[in-house]
Amino acid sequence: KQEVTQIPAALSVPEGENLVLNCSFTDSAIYNLQWFRQDPGKGLTSLLLIQSSQREQTSGRLNASLDKSSGRSTLYIAASQPGDSATYLCAVGSGGGATNKLIFGTGTLLAVQP
Amino acid sequence: KAGVTQTPRYLIKTRGQQVTLSCSPISGHRSVSWYQQTPGQGLQFLFEYFSETQRNKGNFPGRFSGRQFSNSRSEMNVSTLELGDSALYLCASSPGTTQETQYFGPGTRLLVL
Repeated sequence: KQEVTQIPAALSVPEGENLVLNCSFTDSAIYNLQWFRQDPGKGLTSLLLIQSSQREQTSGRLNASLDKSSGRSTLYIAASQPGDSATYLCAVGSGGGATNKLIFGTGTLLAVQP
Repeated sequence: KAGVTQTPRYLIKTRGQQVTLSCSPISGHRSVSWYQQTPGQGLQFLFEYFSETQRNKGNFPGRFSGRQFSNSRSEMNVSTLELGDSALYLCASSPGTTQETQYFGPGTRLLVL
């Protein structure tokens, strides 16, 4: 059974700092991994999607890497800003057959202090 | 393009009642998935519909059901509500095949008293 874990559960950093969020999964048979952010009481905003054949994806100040063999992904945020404060969730597309089912981690609550 | 919309946004029900939530996907998207988010269990997959057919189902009791219409809009129904059904219900849409970015709606917050 696929399980997804995110460390740390919470993180507080001063503005301008670079930071790394971690995501690990137990079954390497995934077809993709997606990073989302969620603001309080809101839905999820997709940040980056990495296909199983890819090693990393970049969007602006965000860079996500994927190492399937070790069951790990990292989300790197450069020059953090207070507007980056949110909960960050990783999710893996896993399981056989045609499906868009995602299995989510528990999230990392990020606070960027001005 | 308009994003994923969900109605209603907030709902208060009492135990034993039933509830129907609606999700309209992004235009052209044929896959709709539903998730339940609670503080204790996090985000859990409920089910996925594609072209009016349930393509996958999570580990939830039969009180949770759904359907998809020919215009790809989807509804989920929860019968005989329990206090533990209080949650944020999120739907996500994608064009249809697998391995694609999924786009989430703002969610429906359900409170069961």
